[in-house]
Amino acid sequence: DIQMTQSPSTLSASVGDRVTITCRASQSISSWLAWYLQKPGKAPKLLIYKASSLESGVPSRFSGSGSGTEFTLTISSLQPDDFATYYCQQYNSFPYTFGQGTKLEIK
Amino acid sequence: QVQLVQSGAEVKKPGSSVKVSCKASGGTFSSYAISWVRQAPGQGLEWMGGIVPIFGTPNYAQKFQGRVTITADESTSTAYMELSSLRSEDTAVYYCARDVSGSWGYWYFDLWGRGTLVTVSS
Repeated sequence: DIQMTQSPSTLSASVGDRVTITCRASQSISSWLAWYLQKPGKAPKLLIYKASSLESGVPSRFSGSGSGTEFTLTISSLQPDDFATYYCQQYNSFPYTFGQGTKLEIK
Repeated sequence: QVQLVQSGAEVKKPGSSVKVSCKASGGTFSSYAISWVRQAPGQGLEWMGGIVPIFGTPNYAQKFQGRVTITADESTSTAYMELSSLRSEDTAVYYCARDVSGSWGYWYFDLWGRGTLVTVSS
């Protein structure tokens, strides 16, 4: 199975900050990577697919980059609604696997 | 607008089985992939398996092979996930999730159900 490792596990930031979350794959997954946001008690929400494609309706302050084994999710200017847990997911090969999550907290 | 409507919470005894349903309302069903993803309390997301109804044959994560059965009924636009030999570690929220590509593989999930809490307790 492909292991997905996110860093950091927890991130404290303030409204207006620019933040970056990293996701590393244990082997190359080309650009087959998605990012999700999840709030407590809610289902995950798709933000980014194919490493850098913004899902329809997702604010442009979210962006993704990377290919191969290293990927990043950047939020250009944090808004109050962005404080949540973020997950990456590889869909290069079965079984699909997720990172362990990055909790974005208010500083 | 398509929604995925899941069945309600379940409480099960260890060793028993649970069957969770996921009905697609408001849109087509057969050409999409439906996957099942679970989340234990306070933990991350875990993909269990998925199916493309028009293909019929599901794919399961090795971890769940032999215990999970994923099926789809095109006539009712409903997918099912049955997990057997339940143990306490199976206590989790179970989500169904859709991939729109309709392909075999390369599934990411643009639409999720609200989740079904399955509690396994004696």
